Amino acid sequence: QVHLVESEGGVVQPGGSLRLSCAASGFIFNNYGMHWVRQAPGKGLEWVALMGDDGIKIYQTDSVKGRFTISRDNSNYTLYLQLNSLRPEDTAVYYCAKDREGRRGIFDYWGQGTLVTVSS
Amino acid sequence: DIVMTQSPDSLAVSLGERATINCKSSQSILFSSNNKNYLAWYQQKPGQPPKLLIYWASSRESGVPDRFSGSGSGTDFTLTINSLQADDVAVYYCQQYYDTPYTFGQGTKLEIK
Repeated sequence: QVHLVESEGGVVQPGGSLRLSCAASGFIFNNYGMHWVRQAPGKGLEWVALMGDDGIKIYQTDSVKGRFTISRDNSNYTLYLQLNSLRPEDTAVYYCAKDREGRRGIFDYWGQGTLVTVSS
Repeated sequence: DIVMTQSPDSLAVSLGERATINCKSSQSILFSSNNKNYLAWYQQKPGQPPKLLIYWASSRESGVPDRFSGSGSGTDFTLTINSLQADDVAVYYCQQYYDTPYTFGQGTKLEIK
């Protein structure tokens, strides 16, 4: 069955950086777009970024453009999110999610999430 | 960006009764070329990631009980949960995938009365 496992997050100072990874198994990774979705403590869901199955097309929400970079390694079934210039408002649980239909935008499987805390 | 607005923010329903959650998009999310509404519903229980319930506004994901159903078109959508069970206590989110950035409603917290 499908498994998505995010790497451990952590506490980062404002302006700092962190790289998250998501190890995927149970499906043909390079056939599906993959997403990052975040959830601030006690708040709702916010889509962050999508990387297409082709490893080329990238879409991001405006608030992270120029600061976050999504990438993937299809040979190792791994999705990444490089977080730079972190701000306190980036504090959230970050989920990786598989797209149900290529890069449609329907999230059919989710990891358990990893907490990133941006604080001095 | 397409804004998704859910109502109510919270509701309490008795076991065995019906729960209805509404979702409104700031613009139509019906794609005319395929006549599909680009809307999904998710359930999130405390401490868990969201779970996909419904996509294309009314298609039930595999394994989701048929007590859950979605309806609506254009800008107005509804998630209906029949015969409410204790296990249905959760926050429910609608989400549009018509265009990026994909956006979610603010969530509706469902409790047992």
